[in-house]
Amino acid sequence: QVQLVQSGAEVKKPGASVTVSCKASGYTFTDHYMHWARQAPGQGLEWMGWINPNNGDTNYAQKFLGRVTMTRDTSITTAYMELSRLRSDDTAFYFCARAARKGDFDVWGQGMLVTVSS
Amino acid sequence: SYVLTQPPSVSVAPGKTARITCGANNIGSKSVHWYQQRPGQAPLLVLYNDRDRPSGIPERFSGSNSENTAILTISGVEGGDEADYYCHVWDSSSDHMVFGGGTKLTVL
Repeated sequence: QVQLVQSGAEVKKPGASVTVSCKASGYTFTDHYMHWARQAPGQGLEWMGWINPNNGDTNYAQKFLGRVTMTRDTSITTAYMELSRLRSDDTAFYFCARAARKGDFDVWGQGMLVTVSS
Repeated sequence: SYVLTQPPSVSVAPGKTARITCGANNIGSKSVHWYQQRPGQAPLLVLYNDRDRPSGIPERFSGSNSENTAILTISGVEGGDEADYYCHVWDSSSDHMVFGGGTKLTVL
């Protein structure tokens, strides 16, 4: 079945970087854009950007420009999201999501908790 | 930037109809998608393209979108429908995705 499996929780210090991975299976990885969103504890969803796994093109939300980098490795059907210069307010669950049809997100990863604390 | 406005909360008795709105300027010209998120879980797509249901989503979930308001309607609400609901669109002017702030549905 189609699924996205993300890496495990991480704790980082302020100023550090974190990389979240998203392993896709059950479909042709290069056929669907991969999006990233995050959700701070008790808060709503926040879109971060997308990557086109076919050619590596990216589009980042204005808020994260300069701090986020999205990449992929097609040989292992995995997408990555790196967020740098972490702050305490970056503490959140980070989700990858597959885009389909009209740009809706039809498959989501299980989420990965990133905690930023000194 | 394009802003989607949802009521923070909606309450409904079991068996009744819940309506969750998503307001924005000329949202009727966009495709709106809706997600259900239960505590501790990833979001789940319940409607796409304003009114289409993915496989496995009950017919009780329906949608509409006109002018400045999109609506998610849940008929015959059940206890298992208690969750947060988010609307989502693509803003063509910025080529960015936008989520609404979310609505907590409480089943009384």
